[in-house]
Amino acid sequence: GIQVEQSPPDLILQEGANSTLRCNFSDSVNNLQWFHQNPWGQLINLFYIPSGTKQNGRLSATTVATERYSLLYISSSQTTDSGVYFCAVGSPSNTGKLIFGQGTTLQVKP
Amino acid sequence: EAQVTQNPRYLITVTGKKLTVTCSQNMNHEYMSWYRQDPGLGLRQIYYSMNVEVTDKGDVPEGYKVSRKEKRNFPLILESPSPNQTSLYFCASRPFVGATNEKLFFGSGTQLSVL
Repeated sequence: GIQVEQSPPDLILQEGANSTLRCNFSDSVNNLQWFHQNPWGQLINLFYIPSGTKQNGRLSATTVATERYSLLYISSSQTTDSGVYFCAVGSPSNTGKLIFGQGTTLQVKP
Repeated sequence: EAQVTQNPRYLITVTGKKLTVTCSQNMNHEYMSWYRQDPGLGLRQIYYSMNVEVTDKGDVPEGYKVSRKEKRNFPLILESPSPNQTSLYFCASRPFVGATNEKLFFGSGTQLSVL
């Protein structure tokens, strides 16, 4: 099956800094999503982005499907951005399954 | 408000005592799924359903059952829970495969402890 690797595993930032999180995957995908799990455990969908670029406020994401990676950009980070960021991918060969990466744990310090 | 609702939020039970975790969505989504989250293992898919009466195994289906008799409901059944099923469980839903936006929405989670 598809392998999903996220980097870095951990990241500590000062408030106001920018960051880039990366998601590499081992095979063709037709579904890629980014999620934020806040410190209370809630999983929030940030982007559905199987290809191309999207922006939502201070967050943006880019997926280059042909090169098998996706990037999540966080600009002007805030303490509320702390938590774990997951990417999840699905393949054309099994559209019911969504495979999650291990996540990037982000801590934003005031 | 569009949401996925799981109940209960917390559950403590004993080995072998059958339990059901309910999941309901009000977005008319065709697809629903269950995941478990464990430290160091991330989120793993248990079962999914592409539509009413259509269910399939995910990566860790052993010890679990599901049913999809109605579009909005997708309960997770543990017939004989064991301590290794202690975990944080999430239900999720999204529109049909092939929709313009297949964004996946999660419930708030159920923390299960099996003693």
